Amino acid sequence: GQNIDQPTEMTATEGAIVQINCTYQTSGFNGLFWYQQHAGEAPTFLSYNVLDGLEEKGRFSSFLSRSKGYSYLLLKELQMKDSASYLCAVKDSNYQLIWGAGTKLIIKP
Amino acid sequence: DADVTQTPRNRITKTGKRIMLECSQTKGHDRMYWYRQDPGLGLRLIYYSFDVKDINKGEISDGYSVSRQAQAKFSLSLESAIPNQTALYFCATSDGQGSSPLHFGNGTRLTVT
Repeated sequence: GQNIDQPTEMTATEGAIVQINCTYQTSGFNGLFWYQQHAGEAPTFLSYNVLDGLEEKGRFSSFLSRSKGYSYLLLKELQMKDSASYLCAVKDSNYQLIWGAGTKLIIKP
Repeated sequence: DADVTQTPRNRITKTGKRIMLECSQTKGHDRMYWYRQDPGLGLRLIYYSFDVKDINKGEISDGYSVSRQAQAKFSLSLESAIPNQTALYFCATSDGQGSSPLHFGNGTRLTVT
């Protein structure tokens, strides 16, 4: 079966750096997405990786290793507004999106 | 104005009732999707449509039906609501390009009592 694993919950301190991991086992790979979702709101797109390596976008970076079935989202200079769930999703060989359950990130002052 | 609009935002209904959730978009995207989200679970695909004449079942289509009335409108119906259909429902659109993300509506919180 297809599976995406993320930690259920993480806690970090305002101003610090946090890394949210995502491992996947899917039938084929056609790209990996990260979304941010504040409680009760819609997911919003953060990043897309299809080739190995690091994609940087301001305070957020996303890394992909296809050979390891692994990605991480790195958030720097954490702000209270970064408290949210972070969803990892992979496009499989049929271009269908497979979603992880999300990681709830709690930021403490 | 939101690019993807869902109505209603909240709905409480009784077991056995038929209800419809509506979605409209101004993004001009051909592809539209309905997902449900439950605590502790990933987004699960109910139905999707790649154009007005194309409707496809997702992984959890039982108990649901959809209608693509126009390129911009995609509605989800629960034929006879049951309590385990209580969830947060999202409509989403995409332009179908490989790297393009989904664009989500603000969601409908449905409670079936």
